[in-house]
Amino acid sequence: SQTIHQWPATLVQPVGSPLSLECTVEGTSNPNLYWYRQAAGRGLQLLFYSVGIGQISSEVPQNLSASRPQDRQFILSSKKLLLSDSGFYLCAWSIPPSKGGPKNIQYFGAGTRLSVL
Amino acid sequence: KNEVEQSPQNLTAQEGEFITINCSYSVGISALHWLQQHPGGGIVSLFMLSSGKKKHGRLIATINIQEKHSSLHITASHPRDSAVYICAVRPNAGGTSYGKLTFGQGTILTVHP
Repeated sequence: SQTIHQWPATLVQPVGSPLSLECTVEGTSNPNLYWYRQAAGRGLQLLFYSVGIGQISSEVPQNLSASRPQDRQFILSSKKLLLSDSGFYLCAWSIPPSKGGPKNIQYFGAGTRLSVL
Repeated sequence: KNEVEQSPQNLTAQEGEFITINCSYSVGISALHWLQQHPGGGIVSLFMLSSGKKKHGRLIATINIQEKHSSLHITASHPRDSAVYICAVRPNAGGTSYGKLTFGQGTILTVHP
């Protein structure tokens, strides 16, 4: 069965420090991968998605970047965190429609709560 | 105006009450999801709809494609139903299909015993 791992669960970082959040998926190959952010009192916002190794699409301009060094690994990074980067970050994966299986379903990780102080 | 609007934003109910959460969207879609986010942040997919109605236990989800509207109903609500309920749509994307979802802002449900 497929599983998604996201870590750390909680992170407190000072302003200006770097960030690296990691997400890995097991039990599937060539998934679509997504990074979302949920700011306090706001809905989920898609930050990045990836359809393959090294292929990253950014949805909104921001202080963050994403990388996919391996098929099932998705990393969210920042060189210098801002206060506004605080929020709840969720990684998700889905099976590409071209590979069949349950379409339109995204499977979410447990999330990382980031506090920038 | 957001592409996906949910109402109400906050909902308080007494145990046993029938609850309805609404979702309206302004784009053509291929599917609509209802998600449940627990206080710890974890998200669970409740339903995926492209037409009609689905039922799972005490949860019922309906969608009217012509009116671009969906509702999530909870019958005989219970304090453990307290969570954030999120509506998400998958817009029609023509020839491309990355599985991208557009989310509503969520409805915070609190059920008191």
